[in-house]
Amino acid sequence: NAGVTQTPKFRILKIGQSMTLQCAQDMNHNYMYWYRQDPGMGLKLIYYSVGAGITDKGEVPNGYNVSRSTTEDFPLRLELAAPSQTSVYFCASRNPRLADGETQYFGPGTRLLVL
Amino acid sequence: DQQVKQNSPSLSVQEGRISILNCDYTNSMFDYFLWYKKYPAEGPTFLISISSIKDKNEDGRFTVFLNKSAKHLSLHIVPSQPGDSAVYFCAARGLTGGGNKLTFGTGTQLKVEL
Repeated sequence: NAGVTQTPKFRILKIGQSMTLQCAQDMNHNYMYWYRQDPGMGLKLIYYSVGAGITDKGEVPNGYNVSRSTTEDFPLRLELAAPSQTSVYFCASRNPRLADGETQYFGPGTRLLVL
Repeated sequence: DQQVKQNSPSLSVQEGRISILNCDYTNSMFDYFLWYKKYPAEGPTFLISISSIKDKNEDGRFTVFLNKSAKHLSLHIVPSQPGDSAVYFCAARGLTGGGNKLTFGTGTQLKVEL
């Protein structure tokens, strides 16, 4: 299993540009999450999904959108990039039906710089 | 409003000694706690967890203690090894809301010196 994969690893955007951060998992996890981590801060939840077709806002959803058309993929969309969105973005997944169901498994992250 | 706090941004320990990382929380609705370890340029990896019905959980060199009355948990690493040098995040799960969302602390950078 590849686990949770994220692309790209690093991206520079100009203010106002848009982009999609990709996240995929091959563990058949139905729950998926997007976090951002700013320097010296903890991870903040942006959006989450409890299954295909179901998404909900987290703590800091403004400026982002998500979709969940399949169990495997959970892309995060930035429509109008702003310098405040400069951060490291982590995707995570879990399956509450498993013995380790409370554990979220994280991808390696995408570092985004908005100039 | 920081519901999960890690007040020590950094900790330096000698190899072979005990490392103690602390975490405080304010929300009494948190019922499950996790510790994650993070190396530079990698995602967080799960280390150990504890349910609010327990006060201790042990896994090899790692032990987590929970004091519910004080709303405090700690991670003990014995003996500490250079490979333990990383950022450690405390996370808590709340009972309310969907998705079993986690609230993370700001992390403690542990450095284990030779």
